[in-house]
Amino acid sequence: RKEVEQDPGPFNVPEGATVAFNCTYSNSASQSFFWYRQDCRKEPKLLMSVYSSGNEDGRFTAQLNRASQYISLLIRDSKLSDSATYLCVVTTGTASKLTFGTGTRLQVTL
Amino acid sequence: SAVISQKPSRDICQRGTSLTIQCQVDSQVTMMFWYRQQPGQSLTLIATANQGSEATYESGFVIDKFPISRPNLTFSTLTVSNMSPEDSSIYLCSVEGLQTRRGYTFGSGTRLTVV
Repeated sequence: RKEVEQDPGPFNVPEGATVAFNCTYSNSASQSFFWYRQDCRKEPKLLMSVYSSGNEDGRFTAQLNRASQYISLLIRDSKLSDSATYLCVVTTGTASKLTFGTGTRLQVTL
Repeated sequence: SAVISQKPSRDICQRGTSLTIQCQVDSQVTMMFWYRQQPGQSLTLIATANQGSEATYESGFVIDKFPISRPNLTFSTLTVSNMSPEDSSIYLCSVEGLQTRRGYTFGSGTRLTVV
């Protein structure tokens, strides 16, 4: 079983749609959780950290369920510019090692 | 967030040769991380580089193949040695954000093609 699992997609949605991505992690000792965005041929960039209380940043909402070891990302009112691969990332251990999911590809269309 | 300059941005190399990738950070950081992203896949951690000590390698990666230098708190290099076509990947360095839970910043990556 992979340490961090995501549905690879692709998710093809029309502009304005709401889309949700899910992620599960296997190590209960994981400490920090992030969603990263990676555009084609670019480096990953932090989209948002994920907290147990849930957090929102504009059109983006992230949730963490430690009991179920589950992370989600909700994107409302999708824009064409949201098209990218979304990476679920967790850190585990004292060395703050990042473990990446395989990524979920999102394509927003007109 | 820290700013990282990574070079070269891309290279095409002959098999059997070595390539050294450099990362320069605009602030002092304790740990720097080196990742590999193979075509169509996500990132895999190669090693963690601390200043003044040997790098810590992840399972499947060895120092002879991927020697790392960390001469000071703002700079690190990764060498891909004795390259084969299987080493064709994007290599990225990363540092932890300066603020708690600010995530990690990545260099722009080095796209390596071995022929």
